[in-house]
Amino acid sequence: GQQLNQSPQSMFIQEGEDVSMNCTSSSIFNTWLWYKQDPGEGPVLLIALYKAGELTSNGRLTAQFGITRKDSFLNISASIPSDVGIYFCAGQLNTGTASKLTFGTGTRLQVTL
Amino acid sequence: NAGVTQTPKFRVLKTGQSMTLLCAQDMNHEYMYWYRQDPGMGLRLIHYSVGEGTTAKGEVPDGYNVSRLKKQNFLLGLESAAPSQTSVYFCASSFQLTGRSGYTQYFGPGTRLTVL
Repeated sequence: GQQLNQSPQSMFIQEGEDVSMNCTSSSIFNTWLWYKQDPGEGPVLLIALYKAGELTSNGRLTAQFGITRKDSFLNISASIPSDVGIYFCAGQLNTGTASKLTFGTGTRLQVTL
Repeated sequence: NAGVTQTPKFRVLKTGQSMTLLCAQDMNHEYMYWYRQDPGMGLRLIHYSVGEGTTAKGEVPDGYNVSRLKKQNFLLGLESAAPSQTSVYFCASSFQLTGRSGYTQYFGPGTRLTVL
């Protein structure tokens, strides 16, 4: 099955730094989503993008839907310790009732004080 | 509201044993999903349901069966467990399959399954 490529796979950053990660696909999607997963928990939706070129913010998080519809980017500004976790992108291509999400491989974020 | 709950949280099976994972949601969602999560693989869809009494195959359905006898419950069964099914299993639910609210899939805390 298709998998989305996320980079970087993991990153260590210092508190207060900005973070950037991206997700790429070989095929187009109509919707891009970003989830965060804390240790021992299920993923939680952070941001949803519905239109190519769309830029959406949620607090310190900003995500963009790539113009080609094959990629998406997530930025976190002024990182704090609670940003630690795994960030997943997910794409969806609407095909009627068969619409399903395809998840990326995840970016593990660790923050050092 | 408890949201999405899963039982059990942990389980160890021997090869060939069977078991059922239970997912329950109290949000009156129509759509429910079962995913498995493996290191470096992200989440992969096993089966999903678009309503009570319906089920459909996802990306990796082999070796699993599901049932949705009640709207609030979605069961995942392993008839003859194999080591390749060692994974963390997540259940999720959503209000509708498409549209803005449909993309908000609410996930349970996961079940960690080890097959020896």
